[in-house]
Amino acid sequence: DAKTTQPNSMESNEEEPVHLPCNHSTISGTDYIHWYRQLPSQGPEYVIHGLTSNVNNRMASLAIAEDRKSSTLILHRATLRDAAVYYCILRSRGTASKLTFGTGTRLQVTL
Amino acid sequence: DARVTQTPRHKVTEMGQEVTMRCQPILGHNTVFWYRQTMMQGLELLAYFRNRAPLDDSGMPKDRFSAEMPDATLATLKIQPSEPRDSAVYFCASGLVPDGEMVSNQPQHFGDGTRLSIL
Repeated sequence: DAKTTQPNSMESNEEEPVHLPCNHSTISGTDYIHWYRQLPSQGPEYVIHGLTSNVNNRMASLAIAEDRKSSTLILHRATLRDAAVYYCILRSRGTASKLTFGTGTRLQVTL
Repeated sequence: DARVTQTPRHKVTEMGQEVTMRCQPILGHNTVFWYRQTMMQGLELLAYFRNRAPLDDSGMPKDRFSAEMPDATLATLKIQPSEPRDSAVYFCASGLVPDGEMVSNQPQHFGDGTRLSIL
């Protein structure tokens, strides 16, 4: 499976935008880029995913580089509830297309 | 919002005992995944069902673990006999994969897990 690289931690002030980067230089043409987050003592939560084009949903935006070797998750206005570990995951074609979580980025949001 | 429901939320038992964990997927979802999460190993896929049929259980220790879907509203994961190394948080996730679509293009929705401690 292609690997992803994320910063270990980031900080943001509440109500400000947050840009969470992810590098995936060995991505293949059929790999989807997924983002999940996990709050303490909770299950992972789906955030957004995409293949080539930028994507928007009610939670976030996903900006995918033209060469697909990197992507950025954008939280438009961070709140305290967004404090979590964010995982960037590549999902390849396959029977199960399992989610393989790396170490992720721990996002701290302060007042 | 609809949610995946897992029971029990916590389970503490002695080694050798049978453990059964249950999962109610989101109504209408046709895929179910069982994962195990530990600090050391991270998230590991144990089993994957699509339309109630087991498609991948390669990550599951076959000698003691078993996963079933008696019906579309219930998935179970059993460990018999349990061992201390099975202590972990077990997550169930479900998703809707339309016919002809790839599972890699669909999100998975997780429950809050069963925290299992084997003494």
